[in-house]
Amino acid sequence: KQEVTQIPAALSVPEGENLVLNCSFTDSAIYNLQWFRQDPGKGLTSLLLIQSSQREQTSGRLNASLDKSSGRSTLYIAASQPGDSATYLCAVNYAGKSTFGDGTTLTVKP
Amino acid sequence: EPEVTQTPSHQVTQMGQEVILRCVPISNHLYFYWYRQILGQKVEFLVSFYNNEISEKSEIFDDQFSVERPDGSNFTLKIRSTKLEDSAMYFCASSVGRELDGYTFGSGTRLTVV
Repeated sequence: KQEVTQIPAALSVPEGENLVLNCSFTDSAIYNLQWFRQDPGKGLTSLLLIQSSQREQTSGRLNASLDKSSGRSTLYIAASQPGDSATYLCAVNYAGKSTFGDGTTLTVKP
Repeated sequence: EPEVTQTPSHQVTQMGQEVILRCVPISNHLYFYWYRQILGQKVEFLVSFYNNEISEKSEIFDDQFSVERPDGSNFTLKIRSTKLEDSAMYFCASSVGRELDGYTFGSGTRLTVV
């Protein structure tokens, strides 16, 4: 059974700092991995999708890496802004379903 | 950008009642999903649906739950005889394919059972 863990559970940083969020998964048999953003009480916004054959994906200030063999992914956020404050969820996709981590709640202080 | 649309955004129902949560997936997507998130907990997979039938379901998705695609655009989740513990945010998602494509999620329906 796939298990997804995200570290840290919460992170508070000053504006402008670069930061890394971590995601680990127990079963390397995945189709792809997706990073989402969730604002309080809201839906899931897809940030980046990495296929199992890829090593990284970039979108603006966001860069996600994937090491499938070791079961790890990282989300790097450059030059953080207060508007980045949200919960970031990692989800691994296989056989028609996603398994989510608990998320990392990020607070960026002005 | 295409969106997955869910209605209603919030539903309050009495314990024991039946509820139907509605979703309009993205029009060219072929796979449809329901997930739920109990307050403060992980997003959990409920069911996936393809070609007018269930393709995967979790142990949560028991006889209390059913899904249907009644026409070419809507995808519904029916919860019979609701219990207090069914209170959660229910998310619909869709994808073009099963292997190479990510999922697009709707904004969710917050179900409160009282």
